[in-house]
Amino acid sequence: GAGVSQSPSNKVTEKGKDVELRCDPISGHTALYWYRQSLGQGLEFLIYFQGNSAPDKSGLPSDRFSAERTGGSVSTLTIQRTQQEDSAVYLCASSSLRAPNTEAFFGQGTRLTVV
Amino acid sequence: KNEVEQSPQNLTAQEGEFITINCSYSVGISALHWLQQHPGGGIVSLFMLSSGKKKHGRLIATINIQEKHSSLHITASHPRDSAVYICAVSPYSGGGADGLTFGKGTHLIIQP
Repeated sequence: GAGVSQSPSNKVTEKGKDVELRCDPISGHTALYWYRQSLGQGLEFLIYFQGNSAPDKSGLPSDRFSAERTGGSVSTLTIQRTQQEDSAVYLCASSSLRAPNTEAFFGQGTRLTVV
Repeated sequence: KNEVEQSPQNLTAQEGEFITINCSYSVGISALHWLQQHPGGGIVSLFMLSSGKKKHGRLIATINIQEKHSSLHITASHPRDSAVYICAVSPYSGGGADGLTFGKGTHLIIQP
């Protein structure tokens, strides 16, 4: 596609339910990143994929968070047993290479509200 | 870990004014990004620069590597420029966008 696409754009869920967030990167981009922006906070790195593998999962805040990427393309971020502190905007970005000077393109984000 | 500071945190200006947003960082970098986030949450990459100056329309970004400082300027500001502007830096070693350290953003409001 023309840009990074995320779905859904908004999600309201009840505490304790599982949610799945989807990211469609720009076609051909091998690197994919997930970030979180909690209310009043800056962007926080969650996880990075190179192809289908995730060499760095250090940013995932707890074992309730997991992510996968299949076919080197679409990625899903899953949050199990959601808590209110999981409420945030979840942003996905992709780039053609994992290199310091390669521009990352961001999606529109998924606004998750846990009630 | 790189400390990225942006100033001001909030800025309200009148349409047409020249706007400057500043970003300073503590550790040497390979590249600096300026991002724009609109109220809906979506983020657009405005600039990525390693040295000197870049211009795109009414936006100008400069970086001084020695002083570890970058500025984003908006000329002839317009209400549609109202957004949060975020500075992010890439480290020297390793790192792609996972290595980015983000500032907390500058919330800009341009009043008509």
